[in-house]
Amino acid sequence: KNEVEQSPQNLTAQEGEFITINCSYSVGISALHWLQQHPGGGIVSLFMLSSGKKKHGRLIATINIQEKHSSLHITASHPRDSAVYICAVRSGNTPLVFGKGTRLSVIA
Amino acid sequence: DSGVTQTPKHLITATGQRVTLRCSPRSGDLSVYWYQQSLDQGLQFLIQYYNGEERAKGNILERFSAQQFPDLHSELNLSSLELGDSALYFCASSVVAGTNNEQFFGPGTRLTVL
Repeated sequence: KNEVEQSPQNLTAQEGEFITINCSYSVGISALHWLQQHPGGGIVSLFMLSSGKKKHGRLIATINIQEKHSSLHITASHPRDSAVYICAVRSGNTPLVFGKGTRLSVIA
Repeated sequence: DSGVTQTPKHLITATGQRVTLRCSPRSGDLSVYWYQQSLDQGLQFLIQYYNGEERAKGNILERFSAQQFPDLHSELNLSSLELGDSALYFCASSVVAGTNNEQFFGPGTRLTVL
């Protein structure tokens, strides 16, 4: 079974800072997902990637398959980015395995 | 709004009781997934249905069962509830089952067992 580790567990940043959240996994995967969970509990899918890099607005996700590592970057962070960010991986047709999440607080 | 709906939003019940959580997938999505999120365990996969058939099973207790109906909505039944069953239960849907496709999450049902 894949083990998914995220770091840091908690992160506090000042508005405008560049933020990086890391995700490592133990077994080769077919896809990696980054999810955002708002304080109210709702979950939004941010990215799904299996190689390279994806960008959406101020969010960038990268993955290094050889190193079994992915990063989520937030540029020009804003208080509305405050949420829990969750990494999840999938190997073949197996169900998603989730990391424990990174709690981000962005202070104005 | 993901297009996935879940009812009820909140549910408070007592130990030993039975509850049913309901999920309607996005229009056109054939696959439904159920997840449990508890404070100590994080998100965990429970079960997946595709077009009415069970497709994959995760850490789902025998006290829990699910089904997907012909109109593609799904229900998760939790019985003989225990305090430890208190959690957020999410449903997600995707177009197909086995490929690396994006899942769209519902708003969740918060279950509190007293």
